[in-house]
Amino acid sequence: DIQLTQSPSFLSASVGDRVTITCRASQGISSYLAWYQQKPGKAPKLLIYAASTLQSGVPSRFSGSGSGTEFTLTISSLQPEDFATYYCQQLNSYPRTFGGGTKVEIK
Amino acid sequence: EVQLVESGGVVVQPGGSLRLSCAASGFTFDDYTMHWVRQAPGKGLEWVSLISWDGGSTYYADSVKGRFTISRDNSKNSLYLQMNSLRTEDTALYYCAKEKVGGYMDVWGKGTTVTVSS
Repeated sequence: DIQLTQSPSFLSASVGDRVTITCRASQGISSYLAWYQQKPGKAPKLLIYAASTLQSGVPSRFSGSGSGTEFTLTISSLQPEDFATYYCQQLNSYPRTFGGGTKVEIK
Repeated sequence: EVQLVESGGVVVQPGGSLRLSCAASGFTFDDYTMHWVRQAPGKGLEWVSLISWDGGSTYYADSVKGRFTISRDNSKNSLYLQMNSLRTEDTALYYCAKEKVGGYMDVWGKGTTVTVSS
């Protein structure tokens, strides 16, 4: 199975900060990676797919990059509504594993 | 409005069985692959299973293989997860999700809670 390791697992940031989350795959997955945002008590929401394509309706401050084994999710200017947990997921092979998550909290 | 509504979550004893349902509306259900994803209390997301648009292909996480069965009834716009030989570690919020072209889950339900406890 492909393992996805997210770092950091927790980060504290202020409104307006630039935030970067990393997702590393245990083997190459081309660009078959998605990023999801989950707020407490809510279902996950698709933010980025195919590593760098913004899902419709998602603000442009979110961006994704990478291919192979290393990927990043960047929030260019953190907004109050962005405080949440973020997960990466690979679609290269089954099982479709998720990373462990990165919780973004208010500093 | 595109919507997924899960149901069937209850408290069940270890070793017991349960069937979850997911009712879909607002889109052409039989055009899309569907998934189940779960989240244990305070934990991260775990992909559980997938079924192709016609039910012809199914895949499972190793943790549920041989115990869970995914199915669908396109005439009823419904997705199911039959869960047998339940274990305490199956306790979780179970989400159904629709897959968009490319394999990514773009619509999620609110989830249904399964608790396995004696």
